[in-house]
Amino acid sequence: DAGVTQSPTHLIKTRGQQVTLRCSPKSGHDTVSWYQQALGQGPQFIFQYYEEEERQRGNFPDRFSGHQFPNYSSELNVNALLLGDSALYLCASSFGGSMETQYFGPGTRLLVL
Amino acid sequence: GDSVTQMEGPVTLSEEAFLTINCTYTATGYPSLFWYVQYPGEGLQLLLKATKADDKGSNKGFEATYRKETTSFHLEKGSVQVSDSAVYFCASYAGGTSYGKLTFGQGTILTVHP
Repeated sequence: DAGVTQSPTHLIKTRGQQVTLRCSPKSGHDTVSWYQQALGQGPQFIFQYYEEEERQRGNFPDRFSGHQFPNYSSELNVNALLLGDSALYLCASSFGGSMETQYFGPGTRLLVL
Repeated sequence: GDSVTQMEGPVTLSEEAFLTINCTYTATGYPSLFWYVQYPGEGLQLLLKATKADDKGSNKGFEATYRKETTSFHLEKGSVQVSDSAVYFCASYAGGTSYGKLTFGQGTILTVHP
């Protein structure tokens, strides 16, 4: 049973660039959430996608956007990168009927120079 | 808004010592509570959970009891191993207007020496 997968594992970008991160949910899951984890901090909720729509959003600017595909996989896009966007980006999946229990992927570590 | 507070870390113990990591929460209503563990260079793994007051979550020798009266969910293990060295996160899920959102504490680094 494949767990949550994310790609790429690491990424280096420069300020002002744009980045796209990808996530495939655990088999049987239809909901994807994205979190940002700065160094030494707990994860912060960015947004959640269900039925290809953004259903809930945390306190992040519009530079952060996402998409969910019919196969339930998801992308996180960040535009106009800032140094402060450097973090581990975690994807979590869950089943619509059990939203509270979320299973996390290994994350994508983004470094903005 | 909802928040989770964990004890200040890091925590350093010898193998076979008793572990307690404190966690308290604030939320409207009665959230579900979780402990996640993060090993170096990895994502978060669900360790245990409790969904209502007085529930005890347990897994791999770790336990935590949902205490409504003290709004706490402290993590305990009777005898830690070197392999338990990791970062531990307490989290809450309140639902309602926070539907879909897990709220995490800042994490507690645990180091276990042989």
